[in-house]
Amino acid sequence: NAGVTQTPKFRILKIGQSMTLQCTQDMNHNYMYWYRQDPGMGLKLIYYSVGAGITDKGEVPNGYNVSRSTTEDFPLRLELAAPSQTSVYFCASTPRDRVGNEQFFGPGTRLTVL
Amino acid sequence: AQKVTQAQTEISVVEKEDVTLDCVYETRDTTYYLFWYKQPPSGELVFLIRRNSFDEQNEISGRYSWNFQKSTSSFNFTITASQVVDSAVYFCALSEPFTGGGNKLTFGTGTQLKVEL
Repeated sequence: NAGVTQTPKFRILKIGQSMTLQCTQDMNHNYMYWYRQDPGMGLKLIYYSVGAGITDKGEVPNGYNVSRSTTEDFPLRLELAAPSQTSVYFCASTPRDRVGNEQFFGPGTRLTVL
Repeated sequence: AQKVTQAQTEISVVEKEDVTLDCVYETRDTTYYLFWYKQPPSGELVFLIRRNSFDEQNEISGRYSWNFQKSTSSFNFTITASQVVDSAVYFCALSEPFTGGGNKLTFGTGTQLKVEL
């Protein structure tokens, strides 16, 4: 199993550009999450999904959109990039079978908005 | 609201020293889970341990040990005989369930551990 994969690894955007961060997991996990990590800070939840077709907002959803058309994929969309969105983005997944399961994280995408 | 506090921003030790990373949490839930994750310089997040609120037994895994004390809402992490490879940022996290399933992880701000020769 590849686990959770994210593309791209790095990206520089100009203010106002848009992009999609890709996340795929091959563990058949129902739950998927997007976090952002700002320098010197812990991770904050942007959006999450409990299954295909179901998404919900986390702690810091403004400026982002998500979709979940398949169990495997959970892309994160930035429509109008702003410098405040410069961060490292992590995707994570967890199975449904037990409350308190650890979340499995992807390697992250480092995004800079100039 | 849940909260995780890691008051130690950065710790520097010399190799072979023991080091304890503190974690204090706040929650109103009676059932919850606590986690420690390691983030090495390469940037990925590595799961280290999960502890549920009903299990206050301390745990040891090799050079790592964890002390969970509900009375003080703390879940501290000790590395014995530290090594340079332990240099990383360590995050403590608290899990609360979402109504519709899944769990929200609330992370502390992390402790940067530097182990020097």
